[in-house]
Amino acid sequence: AQTVTQSQPEMSVQEAETVTLSCTYDTSESDYYLFWYKQPPSRQMILVIRQEAYKQQNATENRFSVNFQKAAKSFSLKISDSQLGDAAMYFCAYSSPLKAAGNKLTFGGGTRVLVKP
Amino acid sequence: ETGVTQTPRHLVMGMTNKKSLKCEQHLGHNAMYWYKQSAKKPLELMFVYNFKEQTENNSVPSRFSPECPNSSHLFLHLHTLQPEDSALYLCASSQDRRQGWNTGELFFGEGSRLTVL
Repeated sequence: AQTVTQSQPEMSVQEAETVTLSCTYDTSESDYYLFWYKQPPSRQMILVIRQEAYKQQNATENRFSVNFQKAAKSFSLKISDSQLGDAAMYFCAYSSPLKAAGNKLTFGGGTRVLVKP
Repeated sequence: ETGVTQTPRHLVMGMTNKKSLKCEQHLGHNAMYWYKQSAKKPLELMFVYNFKEQTENNSVPSRFSPECPNSSHLFLHLHTLQPEDSALYLCASSQDRRQGWNTGELFFGEGSRLTVL
């Protein structure tokens, strides 16, 4: 079974600065998806960024980028120019496209990001 | 209508009550999911439905009874719950992998906060 580990329960960042969230995962599969989801106080999980394992290029979405190290099974998220609205819980998630039906995501324990004005 | 809507947002029930959580998706998806989010624990997958058929039951106690009458609606019927069942219950939807292009991600509702007294 796949496992996802986020070793940082909480991270604090100054507004306009950069913060990096760590994620490691364990899998025996060669093809899969990785995600970062954001959960603000409104509770709705929102997709931040997606990475396909077969792609060597790191995904970027505006101020969000990832550092995907497949051999090390590491998938970190960098938030640049942090804004107050970035304050939330961030979850790393793994999904295997090899499964026949549905997208069964396995989530890490989450990292709470605090943004200081 | 927003993508995935859940009702009620908050629910308080006694251990002998019977209640239901409702989820509706307006995204044209054909897979729906229930996740449980407890404090200090990773999100736990409970059930998966594909085209109204249950394809995953993650060893969930029988006091939780899911129902999927069509691809747009998902219910979670609750009866004789325990205080440890208090949690945020998240519904999600996605395309089924067998039906063509699939980005691998889930689309979540805002959750139903359940408190069992």
